Amino acid sequence: AQTVTQSQPEMSVQEAETVTLSCTYDTSENNYYLFWYKQPPSRQMILVIRQEAYKQQNATENRFSVNFQKAAKSFSLKISDSQLGDTAMYFCAFMGMNRDDKIIFGKGTRLHILP
Amino acid sequence: GAGVSQSPRYKVAKRGQDVALRCDPISGHVSLFWYQQALGQGPEFLTYFQNEAQLDKSGLPSDRFFAERPEGSVSTLKIQRTQQEDSAVYLCASSLVPPTPWDTQYFGPGTRLTVL
Repeated sequence: AQTVTQSQPEMSVQEAETVTLSCTYDTSENNYYLFWYKQPPSRQMILVIRQEAYKQQNATENRFSVNFQKAAKSFSLKISDSQLGDTAMYFCAFMGMNRDDKIIFGKGTRLHILP
Repeated sequence: GAGVSQSPRYKVAKRGQDVALRCDPISGHVSLFWYQQALGQGPEFLTYFQNEAQLDKSGLPSDRFFAERPEGSVSTLKIQRTQQEDSAVYLCASSLVPPTPWDTQYFGPGTRLTVL
């Protein structure tokens, strides 16, 4: 069974700094998808970024980028020039490519951006 | 509507009561998902609908949990004889086409259920 591990329950950084959130996963599959979701206090989950395992190039979305290390099964999220609005829970998630596969979420990292 | 809506936002139930949680997906979205998010955890899959058909209910924790989507739009998650371990946030998500990883799931704000 696939598992997703986020080893940092909580982090705090100053506004405008860069922060990296860690995620590791376990799977025997070769092709799959990885995601980072943001959940602000409003509880609405928002997709931040996604990565296809067959792509070697790391995905980027504006200030958000990932460091995908397939051999190490690592998928970290880097937030550059952090903003107060980035304060939220961040969930790393995995999804296989089989028809019945569901998204599997990690336990999350609570990120505080300090003014 | 502009996004996925859920009601009520908060629900307090006495142990043994039945509850019904509603999800209004984005208009035209074919796929609808229910997740359970316990305190301090990530969401866990409960069930999935494609239009009115419930194609996967493997995540429902017991036969006290029942979900329906009779007309392929609004969905209701019903929990019978609630127990304290049912306390969680219940999230609904919808997507335009049958679930593929490249199609974004849009989440609602969730219903926080507290069972006393």
